[in-house]
Amino acid sequence: GAVVSQHPSRVICKSGTSVKIECRSLDFQATTMFWYRQFPKQSLMLMATSNEGSKATYEQGVEKDKFLINHASLTLSTLTVTSAHPEDSSFYICSAVSVGSYEQYFGPGTRLTVT
Amino acid sequence: AQSVTQLGSHVSVSEGALVLLRCNYSSSVPPYLFWYVQYPNQGLQLLLKYTSAATLVKGINGFEAEFKKSETSFHLTKPSAHMSDAAEYFCAVTLYNQGGKLIFGQGTELSVKP
Repeated sequence: GAVVSQHPSRVICKSGTSVKIECRSLDFQATTMFWYRQFPKQSLMLMATSNEGSKATYEQGVEKDKFLINHASLTLSTLTVTSAHPEDSSFYICSAVSVGSYEQYFGPGTRLTVT
Repeated sequence: AQSVTQLGSHVSVSEGALVLLRCNYSSSVPPYLFWYVQYPNQGLQLLLKYTSAATLVKGINGFEAEFKKSETSFHLTKPSAHMSDAAEYFCAVTLYNQGGKLIFGQGTELSVKP
């Protein structure tokens, strides 16, 4: 149990376009999902906390207009990177916390490359 | 505010040798502590967790960790390393009232030599 999926696993896009990444909890309901960004050989950097039915809470320094987060249901959160630039290239990981729990279950990650 | 420090960004051991990955935390209230493993281009997999029950916690793949409040530590150990243990390891902390929000350490890359 407690499986989280991400789609796509890899995406290459041209500079200036937008990319949407989906994060789904497959066998549980998640009131909270987290979005992380990870650079090579570095730890996970929390970008935002996504709560179902409300606006996401962004960490300091993360542009909310560039990284749009939507958590429309208890099993789906999306991250849209708008007007992507090469510096947005990174590994994006989501995680989900089930109702009444504190434990995060992580997705497999999405490798974004902006050319 | 809580924080986590992992001592050593890179640890190298021989196959069959003891694995010891260090993690120290800072928290004003009793924390929940986690160890995760990450293989290249993959997400994080939970190895084990401490949630204020037994201080010696056993996890998957033969790993265990001991919560030592007096030393504010939660070091990860495995008696005998396997080649398949080579990966990145992250220690993380949260509090009961943080809604699951984790603070991660910097990570330790474990290499296993034949």
